[in-house]
Amino acid sequence: DAKTTQPNSMESNEEEPVHLPCNHSTISGTDYIHWYRQLPSQGPEYVIHGLTSNVNNRMASLAIAEDRKSSTLILHRATLRDAAVYYCILRDGGSNYKLTFGKGTLLTVNP
Amino acid sequence: NAGVTQTPKFQVLKTGQSMTLQCAQDMNHEYMSWYRQDPGMGLRLIHYSVGAGITDQGEVPNGYNVSRSTTEDFPLRLLSAAPSQTSVYFCASSPATLGYEQYFGPGTRLTVT
Repeated sequence: DAKTTQPNSMESNEEEPVHLPCNHSTISGTDYIHWYRQLPSQGPEYVIHGLTSNVNNRMASLAIAEDRKSSTLILHRATLRDAAVYYCILRDGGSNYKLTFGKGTLLTVNP
Repeated sequence: NAGVTQTPKFQVLKTGQSMTLQCAQDMNHEYMSWYRQDPGMGLRLIHYSVGAGITDQGEVPNGYNVSRSTTEDFPLRLLSAAPSQTSVYFCASSPATLGYEQYFGPGTRLTVT
C-alpha cells in the first residue's frame, strides 16, 4: 500500500480555519485519498475523499495537488468538537477495500 | 438504522480463554472488516469479508478466526486469549462500491490478564 506522511500534531484556535497536510509521493493513479477522524474513545468517522479534483462537503474541504503527491484537509471554522486524530489514507480504487491507517495528526483546538 | 453495532463494550479475559466479539450492521453492506487499535497507534486490519461466505486475512490475523454466514453479522473469535491481544477492537462495514466510506462501530475494549 502507498504510504502517507502527516505531522504528529497540530494546534488551532476555535473558529479559525485549519489546514491539515498529507504527503503521499508514491500515490498511484487508481488510489483514492480518504480522510477519517477519530474522536476520543470513539471509532473512526469518515470525513471526505477524492481522486483528482478538490472536494467539498458539509464537514470539510479536500484540496488535492495537481500532481496528486500531496493533499490538504481544510476545516473552515474549527470547533472544540473537531479535536481528534485525523488520518489521511490512500485506498486502492482497483479491487482493494482495505484501509491502512498510520498514526495520523492529533488536532488540538484551543477555546 | 442502528448502523454498526458491537458487543460487548468491555471484556476482561484470562490468558487461554476464548470468546467471540460480535459485530452486526443493518445497512446491507457487502464489505465488513475487523481492526485492532493499540494505545497511541493507528488501526490495523485483522480480517475482512467481501460478502457472505467469503473472508480473508488482513495485516495481523494470527490468533483470530472469522466467519460470515449472513450479510449482517461478522463475529471475531479469539481462540486462546493472550495478553498481546489486549486492545480496542473496531468493526467496520461499507458498500461494495469502490471509493465509498467505511462505517465504524463504537469498539470493544478487551483486556487479557
